[in-house]
Amino acid sequence: EDQVTQSPEALRLQEGESSSLNCSYTVSGLRGLFWYRQDPGKGPEFLFTLYSAGEEKEKERLKATLTKKESFLHITAPKPEDSATYLCAVPSYNTDKLIFGTGTRLQVFP
Amino acid sequence: DTEVTQTPKHLVMGMTNKKSLKCEQHMGHRAMYWYKQKAKKPPELMFVYSYEKLSINESVPSRFSPECPNSSLLNLHLHALQPEDSALYLCASSQEVGYGYTFGSGTRLTVV
Repeated sequence: EDQVTQSPEALRLQEGESSSLNCSYTVSGLRGLFWYRQDPGKGPEFLFTLYSAGEEKEKERLKATLTKKESFLHITAPKPEDSATYLCAVPSYNTDKLIFGTGTRLQVFP
Repeated sequence: DTEVTQTPKHLVMGMTNKKSLKCEQHMGHRAMYWYKQKAKKPPELMFVYSYEKLSINESVPSRFSPECPNSSLLNLHLHALQPEDSALYLCASSQEVGYGYTFGSGTRLTVV
């Protein structure tokens, strides 16, 4: 069964304290892994798509990496405005569904 | 235009009301989706339209009725909802099913 697991569930960081979020996935055939940022009461905002193991993408303080079994979202020197829920998702191989992880709620304190 | 636009942003309705949520995209995407999201939970898929045809209905109660009038528009008709249906309703689109999802900002629905 296709599955996505994120950890930790919640993360509190001091401003400038770098860390990583994990997304482990089980899918028959990977057709991409998506990272989204979601602010409270808003729709998910697209961050990255990764397609193959070894691929890396960066945007400002965020860097996403992908292996055959998991993806990491590295946050370097975070700022309070990086506080949000970060969701990862993979398309199901056999159906038209996007399978989401439960997300990591990140809080960055000044 | 790289946006998915949802209206209204907020909706309060009684259990006997009929209302509709609207979603529009002009990116030429051929797949459109409705998701439901409860607080502190990930989005849950409700319906998928591919090339204006319903391809997935995730066993959603009949009080939710989707409609895709054309490739740019997606509606969700609501009737006789229950308080537990209160949630953030998200529309999304992608060029093809399974690729590059873009989400709208959602409709916050409260059923009273």
